[in-house]
Amino acid sequence: DADVTQTPRNRITKTGKRIMLECSQTKGHDRMYWYRQDPGLGLRLIYYSFDVKDINKGEISDGYSVSRQAQAKFSLSLESAIPNQTALYFCATSAARSGGVYNEQFFGPGTRLTVL
Amino acid sequence: RKEVEQDPGPFNVPEGATVAFNCTYSNSASQSFFWYRQDCRKEPKLLMSVYSSGNEDGRFTAQLNRASQYISLLIRDSKLSDSATYLCVVGDNYGQNFVFGPGTRLSVLP
Repeated sequence: DADVTQTPRNRITKTGKRIMLECSQTKGHDRMYWYRQDPGLGLRLIYYSFDVKDINKGEISDGYSVSRQAQAKFSLSLESAIPNQTALYFCATSAARSGGVYNEQFFGPGTRLTVL
Repeated sequence: RKEVEQDPGPFNVPEGATVAFNCTYSNSASQSFFWYRQDCRKEPKLLMSVYSSGNEDGRFTAQLNRASQYISLLIRDSKLSDSATYLCVVGDNYGQNFVFGPGTRLSVLP
């Protein structure tokens, strides 16, 4: 079974609709992240959370909100979707820093979102 | 200037070739460095972390030059299965922010 899961895997919606993307992890990691990927731009950070009570904006948080319902769950919402939010969305997790080494991120399989 | 820049690619090389990718970063306070591999329409997966002394994993060698703010990845004896996009990732000094480069696409041809 996958350690980081995302639902839905694909979604087509219309402008103005509210959309929620969900992420769950069984890795026991404290840190969770949401990214979007657009062709030629690489992954860009939307929000991140270091524990259940910690939420931080990333590079491109406008138009998005998040909720960390539990250590294992981190959801991303688009309150009123617009076409330029069409992208591939990834959730990721990482363990906290240990021994001065920053640990790698583990990614979910992605959600392909199309806003018409 | 973008925070993390990579060779634009794509790189098309024959099987068995040696290929090198370059990455530069702008934040001199960066503390963690990684190379990820991403197959088409799939999630990124860690290829290797990059340590100050450089490190090697089989056919893959990563180097870090902090003074020049430069990271490299060398792939020797390329295989068809190495075809993918390679992402350079740089983490800040607080471990809060991982910045991804745009990626360099590699196609290994038979």
